[in-house]
Amino acid sequence: KNEVEQSPQNLTAQEGEFITINCSYSVGISALHWLQQHPGGGIVSLFMLSSGKKKHGRLIATINIQEKHSSLHITASHPRDSAVYICAVGGGAGATNKLIFGTGTLLAVQP
Amino acid sequence: EPEVTQTPSHQVTQMGQEVILRCVPISNHLYFYWYRQILGQKVEFLVSFYNNEISEKSEIFDDQFSVERPDGSNFTLKIRSTKLEDSAMYFCASSWGTLTTGELFFGEGSRLTVL
Repeated sequence: KNEVEQSPQNLTAQEGEFITINCSYSVGISALHWLQQHPGGGIVSLFMLSSGKKKHGRLIATINIQEKHSSLHITASHPRDSAVYICAVGGGAGATNKLIFGTGTLLAVQP
Repeated sequence: EPEVTQTPSHQVTQMGQEVILRCVPISNHLYFYWYRQILGQKVEFLVSFYNNEISEKSEIFDDQFSVERPDGSNFTLKIRSTKLEDSAMYFCASSWGTLTTGELFFGEGSRLTVL
């Protein structure tokens, strides 16, 4: 069983829709990262969370440490949001600088 | 905006050859990482580096791999004797703080193809 599970694996949305991507993890962590991987392969950090909620523009990320669950929300989605969104967890006991990655959610936003 | 740069962007090599992938992290960052992504698979942690030494490494990071920070700016990953299964995209990342305190900045990746 993967230590980090994301759902859905693939998501197609119409422009303007509200999007939610979920991440569940089974290990103890001190931080969760949401990353965006563009079609060309480059990776960009979106959020780093250890508790609560963060917002950046149209993106919102939440984490529930007790339930070992995080969500990434995109409001008013746009075709340029099309990418792979990756959840990665780390900073657990004995692994303070190691990230464990999910398999990613491939998002396609159609105009 | 400062960025992490990686070279080469693509390298093709013969099995058994040595490969060095280079990274220039952001100048005031203290933590450095190498990750790899085999085509179609998830990103995997290889190694973290802090204070001029390896702080953590994965099971993948065996004796054929080594990292160095030969000067104040470069951070290199050496694969001593490449195997077919080393074909992957290799990402360098850096951060001013730990995974809990510092945002990660990734390079664009170096694609390694082993024939």
